[in-house]
Formats: sequence, C-alpha cells, structure tokens
Amino acid sequence: EVQLVESGGGLGQPGGSLRLSCAASGFTFNNYAMNWVRQAPGKGLEWISGIGGSGNNIFYADSVKGRFTVSRDNSKNRLYLQMTSLTAEDTAVYYCAKALGMREFPAMDVWGQGTTVTVSS
Amino acid sequence: QSVVTQPPSASGTPGQRVTISCSGGRSNIESNFVHWYQQLPGTAPKLLIYRNNQRPSGVPDRFSGSKSGTSASLAISGLRSEDEADYYCAAWDDSLSGPVFGGGTKLTVL
Repeated sequence: EVQLVESGGGLGQPGGSLRLSCAASGFTFNNYAMNWVRQAPGKGLEWISGIGGSGNNIFYADSVKGRFTVSRDNSKNRLYLQMTSLTAEDTAVYYCAKALGMREFPAMDVWGQGTTVTVSS
Repeated sequence: QSVVTQPPSASGTPGQRVTISCSGGRSNIESNFVHWYQQLPGTAPKLLIYRNNQRPSGVPDRFSGSKSGTSASLAISGLRSEDEADYYCAAWDDSLSGPVFGGGTKLTVL
C-alpha cells in the first residue's frame, strides 16, 4: 500500500525551529518528486516546497524561502522539512504529498494525513 | 491572494451538473497542466483530475476537467451528497517557479 506518514509537528516558539519528517512506503521513493503543502486553520491549500526525485531540483514558495529547508534521504525513504524563524503565520496542518512523476510537482497523487504545527508563545 | 482564482462557493441539488471555474494567466494555466483536488471535511486532499482532464483510477466519470486559454473548469454531473467538499485547482507557475493553488471552492449540495 502506498503511504505517507508525517511526524514532527507540535508547538513551536516564535523565532524557533521545528523539523518535520515524512515516511514513505509502497513505492520507489527516489523515482518521484515530493512536496510539502500546508493549510492554515480555515484557509486553503498553500504549496510551500518541492524536491525532485534525486534531490537536485528544489523549489520554495516566497513565504518560506530562506527560512525553511527541504531535503530527502532516499536510502531511508524519508522527506524532511526544517523550519526556522517560525512565526504565527506558519501555524497550519502540514502535508507531504507525492508527485505523479520525477518533476510533475503540481500533480500530487498521494497525501499524508498531515501534522499540525502551532506557533505560539 | 492567489494568482489563480476560484469562486469561493458553488451549490447544486442532487442529480444536477455543476461547474467550478479556475482562472489564471499565461504563466500558469495557459502554459501548464491544470490539476484538481477534492478535500472532504477533516481529511487530506485527494487528486481528482490531473493533466487538465485525466482521472486517476477510482475517480468516477461524473468528474471531468477542461482547459481553455487561461481558464480551466471542473464539472461534476449527477451531483451527490457525498460530493459536498472543498475543491482546488492547481498548476505550475513559470514566474513563481512552483505550483500554485486556487483559493478553493466550497461546494454545497442542497
């Protein structure tokens, strides 16, 4: 069964850091681009980062550029999101999502259940 | 504000056909594939239509997508109560170098 499971969410301090992880199973992980998408409470979906199958193509939304870092470990079938300089506007459910292909970032055919990040003092 | 816009709400009665529009520009919808997602309350999004008009396996043929120029549409025929959900369009944006989502449309089945 193709599955994505996020972890690492929780309460973060303003200005602080959190690291999210996404464990993938049921597919050849390094053959697919991966994305992070977030959804603030009561709001729509916001794509925030994507990484190609081999890890060499990396993209960020302007809202997180310079603060968040995406990475992947294909030997462990894991995707990561290192979040720094957190603000209240980063409060959201964070989803990892598998792309249809190596570079087809906007077509996300498998999603995790999401992990909640709350930034508050 | 997203560079891709959708109506915030839509509605229909069971059995009806409804369409949801998605409007963008040259750098996104006109130049790239459009994809559609369905998000049921309290759940993760689900890919409904990819590459403008392709359905993943398991998605009923009541759902269809189309694109023309800088706009795209999702059509749902034979509306059912379980179709009540939020619907999002998405496309790659060449200017932003990343995917963009529309703001989402909340579909109510009356």
